[in-house]
This record gives sequence, structure tokens and C-alpha cells, in this order.
Amino acid sequence: EAQVTQNPRYLITVTGKKLTVTCSQNMNHEYMSWYRQDPGLGLRQIYYSMNVEVTDKGDVPEGYKVSRKEKRNFPLILESPSPNQTSLYFCASSRGQGRSYEQYFGPGTRLTVT
Amino acid sequence: AQSVAQPEDQVNVAEGNPLTVKCTYSVSGNPYLFWYVQYPNRGLQFLLKYITGDNLVKGSYGFEAEFNKSQTSFHLKKPSALVSDSALYFCAVSLNTGFQKLVFGTGTRLLVSP
Repeated sequence: EAQVTQNPRYLITVTGKKLTVTCSQNMNHEYMSWYRQDPGLGLRQIYYSMNVEVTDKGDVPEGYKVSRKEKRNFPLILESPSPNQTSLYFCASSRGQGRSYEQYFGPGTRLTVT
Repeated sequence: AQSVAQPEDQVNVAEGNPLTVKCTYSVSGNPYLFWYVQYPNRGLQFLLKYITGDNLVKGSYGFEAEFNKSQTSFHLKKPSALVSDSALYFCAVSLNTGFQKLVFGTGTRLLVSP
């Protein structure tokens, strides 16, 4: 089954404790992206990747890191999480970089930072 | 600024009645427009998109959307609502940046009552 998977689905952590949210897609997609979803704000892009070893900042990159060492994986790293990073996070992938391609989303990771 | 607006936080409709979820956009150049749906505890799913051509676009689950250039709108419609259509709906525009960049609206919750 073609899908985007994320782990963990739920995470409660404390301020400053480094964490990684994994994302993997099995569709051989070039483009991958991370979003955060907050009430009343919709989805905002954190980072994106156009291919292996090619990543760039989205609209809200502060406090986050990413890497793309393999085509299928695109982990999101929070080096020192803070309470304002409490949010619902989605990973997405797309077959191509062009504007016309739709994105496929993972199930989401709900992160709470206390 | 290039943006998408969903003026209604919530839309209520009775099962069997037609539904409309509104979206307006503000972009430079030709808009590439998308609708996504988010069911509880799930990631976003692609419904339909407008790239060019016929102003009436048909998508998944019986949904359709009408592109209106003069009113800069892309409203989502369905002739007969189902209780199972209850979900959070996002309109998005893909910007003309040379790579894929989606800007989402804030979402509209659709509640279909039996």
C-alpha cells in the first residue's frame, strides 16, 4: 500500500530534551515536506526537500532541523524543544517538485512539550 | 501577500442537502488550487485540484469545485451531503515559485447532521 508513515504518533516530552520524529514514504517520491498544524492557523510549512541532500526552510523553520540522506526518509529533529512547539505535525510527499502535483500526507504526530 | 481564505470556520448541513465550502484566493499569475480533507485522527487526503481547463473540477467521494477567476474563488461543493462527509476541509494554493509551495487556508469544519 502506498503510504507515508510517521513515528511516533503521540509524544509528550519536556523542554530541552532532543527528539526526532521519523517520516518514511514508499512511493519513491522526490519531494517531501514537514508541516505543523495549529488551531486557526491551518498548516504551515517547516522544511521541505526536493531530493536527497537537498533541503530548504519553509515558513516556520526556527527550532527545527531536517535531513534527507535517503530518498524515502525525511526525519524532523527538535534539538531543544520548547512549549511553543506543541503542535500537530504532518509529513507529506509528492511525486514531483512542480506546482501541479498533489501531496500525500502521513497520519500526523501530536507533540506536547511541557 | 499570496494567500487563501476560508471565511467560514464551520458549515452545518443536513444529510441529503447540497453543501458548499467556500474558498477565495489571492495570488499572482495563474492559480493552482487544491482541496484536501482531514478526517479525525488522520492526515490530509487530496480531494481535487484545478490547474487549467474546465472551471468545474470533479474529485473524490462525489465532491466537485468551481473555479471562478473573476471572483477569485474555488468553492467546494457536493449535491447531496452524507454524515460521513463530516470532517475538516482545507483549501490550498500552489505558488509559482519554481518548486512546490503550498499555502493553506485555515480550514472549515463541515458537520453533516442525520
